[in-house]
Amino acid sequence: QSVLTQPPSASGTPGQRVTISCSGSSSNIGSNYVYWYQQLPGTAPKLLIYRNNQRPSGVPDRFSGSKSGTSASLAISGLRSEDEADYYCAAWDDSLSGPWVFGGGTKLTVL
Amino acid sequence: EVQLVESGGGLVKPGGSLRLSCAASGFTFSSYSMNWVRQAPGKGLEWVSSISSSSSYIYYADSVKGRFTISRDNAKNSLYLQMNSLRAEDTAVYYCARGGIAVGGTLGDYWGQGTLVTVSS
Repeated sequence: QSVLTQPPSASGTPGQRVTISCSGSSSNIGSNYVYWYQQLPGTAPKLLIYRNNQRPSGVPDRFSGSKSGTSASLAISGLRSEDEADYYCAAWDDSLSGPWVFGGGTKLTVL
Repeated sequence: EVQLVESGGGLVKPGGSLRLSCAASGFTFSSYSMNWVRQAPGKGLEWVSSISSSSSYIYYADSVKGRFTISRDNAKNSLYLQMNSLRAEDTAVYYCARGGIAVGGTLGDYWGQGTLVTVSS
């Protein structure tokens, strides 16, 4: 059971916009930054979004992050086949369960 | 170019020990916190342990506390994870991931390729 809650799966067709949610609590998302990672099959995770909505250099602006209260979302616009991957959210947790906690991951399928 | 290269994984019997290493290059290693994150086969990411740049602050997941020890050698640009009393549920790919200047600053702006640890008799 992950501390942060993500839907196990999501899907969309090429060109569509999809969102992936990440729900937490006041001790993690509610009071700290949210990070998003993309993991392509058979590869190491890659940082996609940091500090809620910042993109590292090289990450397309099709990827965006947002946070409200104890929840966060990752949006992918103009969906492409190469976006098919697992996506994870993470946050620092101020409680004893931390300090870093992950979501269970969302498998994105491009139909 | 930032590079993190893990080594030391392998097959070990339950109750055994293993020491993972992560060789860092391309950045000032001594300025950054570092982390170990693992992924069991077919499962999600699980944070394992973090260490601050000067080793002053160390954190462990409850699942490994008392069995695993994180350490670093800034002179050698290396991060380590000593794993003792290994269990079948410790079977996973172990990733080394760079943190921020502070331990809570960020997680995983760079990742290694991972090293597989298999605990089985």
